[in-house]
Amino acid sequence: GAVVSQHPSWVICKSGTSVKIECRSLDFQATTMFWYRQFPKQSLMLMATSNEGSKATYEQGVEKDKFLINHASLTLSTLTVTSAHPEDSSFYICSARDLVRGRAATYNEQFFGPGTRLTVL
Amino acid sequence: GENVEQHPSTLSVQEGDSAVIKCTYSDSASNYFPWYKQELGKGPQLIIDIRSNVGEKKDQRIAVTLNKTAKHFSLHITETQPEDSAVYFCAAIYWGKLQFGAGTQVVVTP
Repeated sequence: GAVVSQHPSWVICKSGTSVKIECRSLDFQATTMFWYRQFPKQSLMLMATSNEGSKATYEQGVEKDKFLINHASLTLSTLTVTSAHPEDSSFYICSARDLVRGRAATYNEQFFGPGTRLTVL
Repeated sequence: GENVEQHPSTLSVQEGDSAVIKCTYSDSASNYFPWYKQELGKGPQLIIDIRSNVGEKKDQRIAVTLNKTAKHFSLHITETQPEDSAVYFCAAIYWGKLQFGAGTQVVVTP
Protein backbone atom coordinates (compact mmCIF):
# COMPACT_ATOMS: atom_id res chain seq x y z
CA GLY A 1 0.00 0.00 0.00
CA ALA A 2 0.83 3.73 -0.09
CA VAL A 3 2.28 3.79 -3.58
CA VAL A 4 3.08 7.02 -5.39
CA SER A 5 3.87 7.05 -9.09
CA GLN A 6 5.38 9.70 -11.32
CA HIS A 7 5.19 10.10 -15.05
CA PRO A 8 7.34 10.36 -17.01
CA SER A 9 10.32 8.77 -15.29
CA TRP A 10 12.62 10.79 -17.50
CA VAL A 11 12.21 13.50 -20.12
CA ILE A 12 14.52 15.40 -22.43
CA CYS A 13 13.32 18.67 -23.90
CA LYS A 14 14.62 21.66 -25.77
CA SER A 15 15.27 24.96 -24.09
CA GLY A 16 12.18 27.17 -24.10
CA THR A 17 9.62 24.37 -24.11
CA SER A 18 7.32 23.36 -21.25
CA VAL A 19 7.26 20.00 -19.54
CA LYS A 20 4.51 18.50 -17.39
CA ILE A 21 5.24 15.94 -14.68
CA GLU A 22 2.45 13.93 -13.06
CA CYS A 23 2.35 12.63 -9.52
CA ARG A 24 -0.31 10.09 -8.59
CA SER A 25 -1.22 8.37 -5.35
CA LEU A 26 -2.27 4.91 -6.53
CA ASP A 27 -3.94 3.34 -3.51
CA PHE A 28 -4.80 6.23 -1.25
CA GLN A 29 -6.18 9.74 -1.43
CA ALA A 30 -3.76 12.57 -0.84
CA THR A 31 -4.97 15.87 0.49
CA THR A 32 -1.47 17.26 0.30
CA MET A 33 1.33 16.60 -2.13
CA PHE A 34 4.82 18.02 -2.07
CA TRP A 35 7.23 18.73 -4.91
CA TYR A 36 10.98 18.50 -4.39
CA ARG A 37 13.97 19.15 -6.59
CA GLN A 38 17.26 17.35 -6.20
CA PHE A 39 20.46 18.29 -7.96
CA PRO A 40 23.25 15.70 -8.39
CA LYS A 41 24.87 14.69 -5.11
CA GLN A 42 22.66 17.08 -3.17
CA SER A 43 19.75 16.78 -0.82
CA LEU A 44 16.06 17.19 -1.54
CA MET A 45 14.85 20.76 -1.56
CA LEU A 46 11.15 21.45 -1.11
CA MET A 47 9.77 23.54 -3.94
CA ALA A 48 6.10 23.75 -3.11
CA THR A 49 3.20 22.26 -1.22
CA SER A 50 0.17 21.31 -3.24
CA ASN A 51 -3.27 21.09 -1.67
CA GLU A 52 -6.23 19.64 -3.51
CA GLY A 53 -8.60 22.33 -4.70
CA SER A 54 -6.47 25.29 -3.69
CA LYS A 55 -3.43 27.19 -4.83
CA ALA A 56 -0.02 25.73 -4.17
CA THR A 57 2.28 27.28 -1.60
CA TYR A 58 5.77 27.92 -2.91
CA GLU A 59 8.98 28.00 -0.93
CA GLN A 60 11.07 31.13 -0.89
CA GLY A 61 13.07 31.53 -4.07
CA VAL A 62 10.89 29.25 -6.19
CA GLU A 63 9.23 31.06 -9.09
CA LYS A 64 5.56 30.18 -9.08
CA ASP A 65 5.08 31.38 -12.66
CA LYS A 66 7.82 29.08 -13.84
CA PHE A 67 6.81 26.00 -11.86
CA LEU A 68 3.05 25.67 -12.23
CA ILE A 69 1.38 23.24 -9.87
CA ASN A 70 -2.14 21.89 -10.25
CA HIS A 71 -3.71 19.54 -7.70
CA ALA A 72 -6.99 18.84 -9.43
CA SER A 73 -7.98 15.69 -7.58
CA LEU A 74 -7.16 13.76 -4.43
CA THR A 75 -4.93 11.42 -6.39
CA LEU A 76 -3.19 13.67 -8.92
CA SER A 77 -0.88 16.65 -8.79
CA THR A 78 1.02 18.02 -11.77
CA LEU A 79 4.13 20.16 -12.01
CA THR A 80 4.68 22.07 -15.23
CA VAL A 81 8.10 23.55 -15.85
CA THR A 82 7.44 26.44 -18.21
CA SER A 83 10.01 27.81 -20.63
CA ALA A 84 12.55 25.31 -19.39
CA HIS A 85 16.25 26.16 -19.48
CA PRO A 86 19.32 23.99 -18.93
CA GLU A 87 19.58 25.16 -15.31
CA ASP A 88 16.17 23.56 -14.68
CA SER A 89 17.68 20.16 -15.40
CA SER A 90 17.25 18.19 -12.21
CA PHE A 91 15.58 15.23 -10.52
CA TYR A 92 12.03 16.17 -9.53
CA ILE A 93 10.38 14.11 -6.80
CA CYS A 94 6.89 14.29 -5.39
CA SER A 95 5.51 12.99 -2.13
CA ALA A 96 2.00 12.61 -0.75
CA ARG A 97 0.28 12.60 2.61
CA ASP A 98 -2.51 10.10 3.18
CA LEU A 99 -5.86 11.88 3.56
CA VAL A 100 -7.37 9.42 6.00
CA ARG A 101 -4.34 8.72 8.17
CA GLY A 102 -3.33 12.37 7.93
CA ARG A 103 -6.35 13.41 9.96
CA ALA A 104 -4.45 12.36 13.06
CA ALA A 105 -2.54 15.35 14.35
CA THR A 106 0.50 13.20 15.04
CA TYR A 107 0.62 11.64 11.60
CA ASN A 108 3.36 13.09 9.43
CA GLU A 109 4.44 10.35 7.06
CA GLN A 110 4.99 11.24 3.42
CA PHE A 111 5.18 8.65 0.65
CA PHE A 112 7.62 9.46 -2.13
CA GLY A 113 7.38 8.85 -5.84
CA PRO A 114 10.24 7.38 -7.90
CA GLY A 115 11.25 10.75 -9.33
CA THR A 116 11.44 12.30 -12.80
CA ARG A 117 14.75 13.10 -14.42
CA LEU A 118 14.45 16.29 -16.49
CA THR A 119 17.18 17.20 -18.93
CA VAL A 120 16.88 20.48 -20.81
CA LEU A 121 19.10 20.82 -23.85
CA GLY B 1 12.97 27.71 10.38
CA GLU B 2 14.35 24.25 10.90
CA ASN B 3 17.97 23.39 10.08
CA VAL B 4 19.11 19.77 9.92
CA GLU B 5 22.77 18.86 9.88
CA GLN B 6 23.94 15.36 9.00
CA HIS B 7 27.31 13.65 9.49
CA PRO B 8 29.31 12.07 8.05
CA SER B 9 28.90 12.87 4.38
CA THR B 10 30.46 9.56 3.39
CA LEU B 11 30.82 6.33 5.32
CA SER B 12 32.68 3.24 4.23
CA VAL B 13 32.19 0.07 6.25
CA GLN B 14 33.16 -3.56 5.94
CA GLU B 15 30.34 -6.00 5.42
CA GLY B 16 29.07 -7.19 8.77
CA ASP B 17 30.19 -4.08 10.64
CA SER B 18 27.86 -1.40 12.00
CA ALA B 19 27.17 2.00 10.51
CA VAL B 20 26.08 5.06 12.44
CA ILE B 21 24.82 8.32 10.97
CA LYS B 22 24.11 11.32 13.14
CA CYS B 23 21.82 14.32 12.67
CA THR B 24 21.07 17.42 14.65
CA TYR B 25 18.10 19.72 14.35
CA SER B 26 17.58 23.26 15.49
CA ASP B 27 13.91 23.74 16.32
CA SER B 28 12.50 22.09 19.43
CA ALA B 29 9.02 22.21 17.85
CA SER B 30 9.99 19.43 15.42
CA ASN B 31 8.35 16.18 16.52
CA TYR B 32 8.82 13.66 13.73
CA PHE B 33 12.15 12.36 12.42
CA PRO B 34 12.20 9.98 9.45
CA TRP B 35 15.16 8.34 7.78
CA TYR B 36 15.23 7.65 4.06
CA LYS B 37 17.34 5.44 1.86
CA GLN B 38 17.88 6.58 -1.70
CA GLU B 39 19.41 4.42 -4.36
CA LEU B 40 20.85 5.94 -7.51
CA GLY B 41 18.15 7.31 -9.81
CA LYS B 42 15.30 6.46 -7.47
CA GLY B 43 13.08 8.28 -5.03
CA PRO B 44 13.74 8.15 -1.29
CA GLN B 45 12.36 5.19 0.62
CA LEU B 46 11.34 5.49 4.24
CA ILE B 47 13.28 2.96 6.30
CA ILE B 48 12.43 4.01 9.84
CA ASP B 49 11.00 6.97 11.71
CA ILE B 50 10.70 8.15 15.28
CA ARG B 51 8.44 10.58 17.05
CA SER B 52 9.45 12.98 19.78
CA ASN B 53 7.70 11.02 22.52
CA VAL B 54 9.95 8.00 21.91
CA GLY B 55 13.66 7.65 22.64
CA GLU B 56 14.49 4.63 20.54
CA LYS B 57 12.96 2.49 17.85
CA LYS B 58 14.24 -0.68 16.25
CA ASP B 59 13.31 -2.63 13.16
CA GLN B 60 15.46 -5.71 12.57
CA ARG B 61 18.96 -4.43 11.70
CA ILE B 62 17.98 -0.78 11.78
CA ALA B 63 17.52 1.38 14.85
CA VAL B 64 17.03 5.08 15.48
CA THR B 65 17.68 6.96 18.70
CA LEU B 66 16.45 10.43 19.62
CA ASN B 67 17.78 12.81 22.24
CA LYS B 68 15.29 15.66 22.46
CA THR B 69 17.31 17.62 24.98
CA ALA B 70 20.37 17.67 22.79
CA LYS B 71 18.29 17.87 19.59
CA HIS B 72 20.01 15.03 17.87
CA PHE B 73 19.00 11.69 16.43
CA SER B 74 20.99 8.83 14.97
CA LEU B 75 20.56 5.91 12.60
CA HIS B 76 22.23 2.64 13.44
CA ILE B 77 22.59 -0.17 10.92
CA THR B 78 24.00 -3.42 12.27
CA GLU B 79 25.43 -6.37 10.34
CA THR B 80 25.72 -4.27 7.19
CA GLN B 81 25.29 -5.94 3.82
CA PRO B 82 26.29 -4.78 0.32
CA GLU B 83 22.65 -3.97 -0.43
CA ASP B 84 22.76 -1.38 2.34
CA SER B 85 24.99 0.73 0.08
CA ALA B 86 23.03 3.89 -0.77
CA VAL B 87 22.58 7.51 0.24
CA TYR B 88 20.78 7.95 3.54
CA PHE B 89 18.92 11.13 4.49
CA CYS B 90 17.63 12.19 7.85
CA ALA B 91 14.79 14.68 8.09
CA ALA B 92 12.78 16.62 10.62
CA ILE B 93 9.20 17.75 10.27
CA TYR B 94 8.58 21.43 10.76
CA TRP B 95 5.09 22.89 10.34
CA GLY B 96 4.14 19.90 8.22
CA LYS B 97 7.16 20.17 5.93
CA LEU B 98 10.18 17.91 5.86
CA GLN B 99 13.60 19.50 6.19
CA PHE B 100 16.30 17.11 4.96
CA GLY B 101 19.88 16.68 6.01
CA ALA B 102 22.61 16.78 3.39
CA GLY B 103 22.81 13.00 3.07
CA THR B 104 25.36 10.29 3.82
CA GLN B 105 26.81 8.09 1.10
CA VAL B 106 27.22 4.64 2.67
CA VAL B 107 29.44 2.13 0.93
CA VAL B 108 29.52 -1.43 2.26
CA THR B 109 32.49 -3.36 0.97
CA PRO B 110 32.41 -7.18 0.90
